Amino acid sequence: QKEVEQDPGPLSVPEGAIVSLNCTYSNSAFQYFMWYRQYSRKGPELLMYTYSSGNKEDGRFTAQVDKSSKYISLFIRDSQPSDSATYLCAMKGSASKIIFGSGTRLSIRP
Amino acid sequence: DTGVSQNPRHKITKRGQNVTFRCDPISEHNRLYWYRQTLGQGPEFLTYFQNEAQLEKSRLLSDRFSAERPKGSFSTLEIQRTEQGDSAMYLCASSYGQGGEAFFGQGTRLTVV
Repeated sequence: QKEVEQDPGPLSVPEGAIVSLNCTYSNSAFQYFMWYRQYSRKGPELLMYTYSSGNKEDGRFTAQVDKSSKYISLFIRDSQPSDSATYLCAMKGSASKIIFGSGTRLSIRP
Repeated sequence: DTGVSQNPRHKITKRGQNVTFRCDPISEHNRLYWYRQTLGQGPEFLTYFQNEAQLEKSRLLSDRFSAERPKGSFSTLEIQRTEQGDSAMYLCASSYGQGGEAFFGQGTRLTVV
């Protein structure tokens, strides 16, 4: 079993829809949770960074962490074609390497 | 630009040759990470440094791979006797402290022919 599980998609939604991306994990020592966006042949770009459980909002993006369920989510409101990319969840403990999910390919249809 | 810089961006090499990649982290970032990514997969951890100390190396990494960060600033990743299976994107990231946000460079794409 992988430490971090992420549905690979692809996920296709119409422009303007709300997108929900999710990851589950098995290591209870994880404390820091991240979402990265990656365009084809580019490096990952940090979108959201949260510590422990709770919600964090930044513009059209909301990250949620539920440590009791070992489940994290990223919501994208008013999705745009420019949001089409691969979204990677990532997490780490207090003094450890960052572990990534396999990524979800998202396509926003105009 | 003060982001993470990786060179070269692309490298084509013949099987059996040695290659070396360089990563310049964001200044004042004391942690530096190396990852490998193949098509359709998430980044796979290779190794990371805190200052000049290599704190962890993936058990999946063969002895052909070595990384250094001699003065706690830039880092190099060397692959000896390259194989076709080494073809991938090699990513570098840096952060500050245990809980700092990690920022990635644009990667070095390696093709072994």
